[in-house]
Amino acid sequence: EVQLVESGGSLVQPGGSLKLSCVASGFTFSNYWMDWVRQTPGKSLEWIGEINTDGSKTNYAPSIKDRFTISRDNAKSTLYLQMSNVKSDDTAIYYCTRIRVLTGDYWGQGVMVTVSS
Amino acid sequence: DIQMTQSPHSLSASLGETVSIECLASEGISNYLAWYQQKPGKSPQLLIYYASSLQDGVPSRFSGSGSGTQYSLKISNMQPEDEGVYYCQQGYKYPWTFGGGTKLELK
Repeated sequence: EVQLVESGGSLVQPGGSLKLSCVASGFTFSNYWMDWVRQTPGKSLEWIGEINTDGSKTNYAPSIKDRFTISRDNAKSTLYLQMSNVKSDDTAIYYCTRIRVLTGDYWGQGVMVTVSS
Repeated sequence: DIQMTQSPHSLSASLGETVSIECLASEGISNYLAWYQQKPGKSPQLLIYYASSLQDGVPSRFSGSGSGTQYSLKISNMQPEDEGVYYCQQGYKYPWTFGGGTKLELK
């Protein structure tokens, strides 16, 4: 069974940093591109970015570029999202997703990040 | 960015009714269109990919169609478990973008 489990969410002050993790199981992690998507409370979904299978290539949404970094450790089947210089607009539930046919076919349960002083 | 406009914003359907949700892209997306269902407190679940391909395990009463800039999701024979919010998403051009969502309720 495919499982994606995010962790690392918390309350963080504006301008601060936070690193989210997503541990994958039930499939060969190194064979799949992985994405991060966020959802603000009561609102729609926003694609953050993605990473290729070996971690050599990433793509990011303009809204977070240069502040967020996606990485992965295939030996640990773990995806990461390093968030820096966070803003109140970054308050959201963050999901990791497995990508197949340019689509997120499995999603984690999500982790809450709150940016507030 | 490609804008994805969903309609209607919300709708209610009776048991057994057929409903359709529309998604309009601001430019052609060559069928790189997915549909997701999200229930309260849960993560989105993939229903349809590449505009009309049914994800494994999804009931056949869900179907997708469309081309170019216009796409639709049809739910035949509405069931109580179909209540939720439905989102479309384009995977044609970065940044990938989602529609604003359509809330479906059982009448």
